[in-house]
Amino acid sequence: DAGITQSPRHKVTETGTPVTLRCHQTENHRYMYWYRQDPGHGLRLIHYSYGVKDTDKGEVSDGYSVSRSKTEDFLLTLESATSSQTSVYFCATERDSSYNSPLHFGNGTRLTVT
Amino acid sequence: AQSVTQLGSHVSVSEGALVLLRCNYSSSVPPYLFWYVQYPNQGLQLLLKYTSAATLVKGINGFEAEFKKSETSFHLTKPSAHMSDAAEYFCAVEARTDKLIFGTGTRLQVFP
Repeated sequence: DAGITQSPRHKVTETGTPVTLRCHQTENHRYMYWYRQDPGHGLRLIHYSYGVKDTDKGEVSDGYSVSRSKTEDFLLTLESATSSQTSVYFCATERDSSYNSPLHFGNGTRLTVT
Repeated sequence: AQSVTQLGSHVSVSEGALVLLRCNYSSSVPPYLFWYVQYPNQGLQLLLKYTSAATLVKGINGFEAEFKKSETSFHLTKPSAHMSDAAEYFCAVEARTDKLIFGTGTRLQVFP
């Protein structure tokens, strides 16, 4: 679906280490999003991008940064991982911002911070 | 600002029974409303969407939802549950100039 690949699929890391998650899409969609999914919270938006080098913060952006140097790639970086960042991370893409353009999701990255 | 509330984090039904998953929204402007489904170890997939056309919206896999402005609701229904419907379902709302806001999800279990 929209050719979205997230890597890695699973990662265990230690507190204080940097972590980068990658999202790669093959559909040339303009918009890309990073969400985290936690029990009782549903999906919460971390950061999003509306074009190459154009990014903005979502509702839970503290402790995260993103970069988008190419249309197809959107990277999420945890500069210094904390246990509260243990979560399942989903990347999503959207062709445009209209209501007729649904979100397409990757299969997620399960991150555990010990 | 908009928000959605999904009543019931878990719903269990027998195969063949009616499925009803509840969603209430809050929005200061006419909203767009969505239901997404998530199967185990997968991302979310769009089930159906309301965009101010018909108030009864039909989606994939026999699901439908009715937009009721007077009740600020967008409940998801399916007349007869199938084992393959077991998944987590998310209601979401979007105002025209804002991003999609998801509810906390309802996990549907279907018993034989």
